Amino acid sequence: QKEVEQNSGPLSVPEGAIASLNCTYSDRVSQSFFWYRQYSGKSPELIMSIYSNGDKEDGRFTAQLNKASQYVSLLIRDSQPSDSATYLCAVNMGWGKLQFGAGTQVVVTP
Amino acid sequence: EAGVAQSPRYKIIEKRQSVAFWCNPISGHATLYWYQQILGQGPKLLIQFQNNGVVDDSQLPKDRFSAERLKGVDSTLKIQPAKLEDSAVYLCASSSSPGVTNEKLFFGSGTQLSVL
Repeated sequence: QKEVEQNSGPLSVPEGAIASLNCTYSDRVSQSFFWYRQYSGKSPELIMSIYSNGDKEDGRFTAQLNKASQYVSLLIRDSQPSDSATYLCAVNMGWGKLQFGAGTQVVVTP
Repeated sequence: EAGVAQSPRYKIIEKRQSVAFWCNPISGHATLYWYQQILGQGPKLLIQFQNNGVVDDSQLPKDRFSAERLKGVDSTLKIQPAKLEDSAVYLCASSSSPGVTNEKLFFGSGTQLSVL
């Protein structure tokens, strides 16, 4: 069973600080990776996608990918209370089939 | 552009009863997915359709779960009979080109099922 592992948290982050979320995956052939944000009682919302090694920045979010280490991370800069949510790491297993991690709960404290 | 529509939003049933969920994907999206999300876990793929054909149903408990996608548009997921462990949110998602590396999935709002 191919796996996607995340720390469950909760990750407590002061407002304005950087939140750092990590994800490891077991399938070496995976090519695309996604971060979804899920508020309580809501469906997952795509916030970042990354396909190449290195960093990808979008506003306050930066995704980092290291295929050799089978590691993908998400940085949230200048964290806001509205960033409090569960962040799901997802790996494309081929033909759009996403394997999700269990998610990391982020709590931004004022 | 309308998103992925799902109904009902909530459903409460007793164990051994049957239940059905409906999904209408984004217009033009050929691929439709049903995911199950148990509280505290990430979504787990149950079944993937390409048009009206099944691409992957390896994780669908076929003794009690069934799904169909007639005419390659709407889809229905059924559970019969339901068990307590089926309590979860059932998410429908769609995409237009799943073979493309950077293709994104769009999720509906989900159906929250409680089995008592």
